[in-house]
Amino acid sequence: DAGITQSPRHKVTETGTPVTLRCHQTENHRYMYWYRQDPGHGLRLIHYSYGVKDTDKGEVSDGYSVSRSKTEDFLLTLESATSSQTSVYFCATRDREEVGNQPQHFGDGTRLSIL
Amino acid sequence: GNSVTQMEGPVTLSEEAFLTINCTYTATGYPSLFWYVQYPGEGLQLLLKATKADDKGSNKGFEATYRKETTSFHLEKGSVQVSDSAVYFCALILGGSYIPTFGRGTSLIVHP
Repeated sequence: DAGITQSPRHKVTETGTPVTLRCHQTENHRYMYWYRQDPGHGLRLIHYSYGVKDTDKGEVSDGYSVSRSKTEDFLLTLESATSSQTSVYFCATRDREEVGNQPQHFGDGTRLSIL
Repeated sequence: GNSVTQMEGPVTLSEEAFLTINCTYTATGYPSLFWYVQYPGEGLQLLLKATKADDKGSNKGFEATYRKETTSFHLEKGSVQVSDSAVYFCALILGGSYIPTFGRGTSLIVHP
């Protein structure tokens, strides 16, 4: 959807290691988001971006950082992974507001397990 | 703040049954409303949307009407299929906002 590619799709790593997840989009959408999805919690926003180099925190940003150096790429980094960060991570994009109240478009997710 | 409340699931139905999934919202302004569907192992995809009061969104036999007086956007389908088994999310976004608000999701299981 909207040409969103998340990589890797699956990853298993150990506590304390750094992890970077990548989201790549081909639609030139202005806004990009990282969510995590856990049973009983629905979707929770980690960080979002409203333009190149413009990012802000969501509701569960502790332990995560992001970077957006190009329109098409939004990276999520876990500096030192913990078992509580085991989750499914979704990237989403959204077109600029000038074209109306646009929906989000989601990638297929990255399943991250931290042992 | 803004919030979206969906009925708890799972909702379990037999094929060809009528479906309603309730969604109510609170918002500080006049939001646009969305239903997304998530099939197993996939990301969310837009199912339908409505941008102003009394608008009806529809897609794939699903429909929902933006009811400002009851702050609701209930999802309905007249005859569900096994392939409709998925998790359904109601969401809103206010004009000029970057951040949508999602409900917790409602799981639908359809038996043959």
